[in-house]
Amino acid sequence: AQSVSQHNHHVILSEAASLELGCNYSYGGTVNLFWYVQYPGQHLQLLLKYFSGDPLVKGIKGFEAEFIKSKFSFNLRKPSVQWSDTAEYFCAVMFNNAGNMLTFGGGTRLMVKP
Amino acid sequence: NAGVTQTPKFQVLKTGQSMTLQCAQDMNHEYMSWYRQDPGMGLRLIHYSVGAGITDQGEVPNGYNVSRSTTEDFPLRLLSAAPSQTSVYFCASKDSGSNMQYFGPGTRLTVL
Repeated sequence: AQSVSQHNHHVILSEAASLELGCNYSYGGTVNLFWYVQYPGQHLQLLLKYFSGDPLVKGIKGFEAEFIKSKFSFNLRKPSVQWSDTAEYFCAVMFNNAGNMLTFGGGTRLMVKP
Repeated sequence: NAGVTQTPKFQVLKTGQSMTLQCAQDMNHEYMSWYRQDPGMGLRLIHYSVGAGITDQGEVPNGYNVSRSTTEDFPLRLLSAAPSQTSVYFCASKDSGSNMQYFGPGTRLTVL
């Protein structure tokens, strides 16, 4: 079965530090890729998505992600984090043979210290 | 246009009780789905529907029933609640021609 892995469960950074959250999936076919964010007490919000084209995608709030097909990866990055980025981040993949439903990674809790 | 709505926002049940979590969308989306969110496990698909009258099981369907009598509504039923079903439940919908899913605000369920 296809799966999505987020290797960092908890990340603690100071403000202005750079962020990279890993996401890998297990499937050799066509995929659509997403990063969602969940701020404390709130529901999921879409940060960015990749469907096709330029593998470097830019999302809201200064986030970007790079799709590297050969590595089955879609890592999330931000050059300089802020305290307000404290949240849980979820990578999700839509596998083209899975009924168009999303498979999520386990999530990464990010805490940014002021 | 309210998007995806879920009720209730919070619910506490005793073991063995039954209840229905409601989900509705006003975007005329054909695809609807239910996920549960548990710490360290992300969101896992419970059931989904690709159109009225059609439902299918996801990754963790046991203990849950669904039906899709209309395009707008996709209720999730717990027939006999268990503590293992304590979780946050998210409903989502998407148009069949799109890859974008829209999530509801979630229902936090506690089973004692």
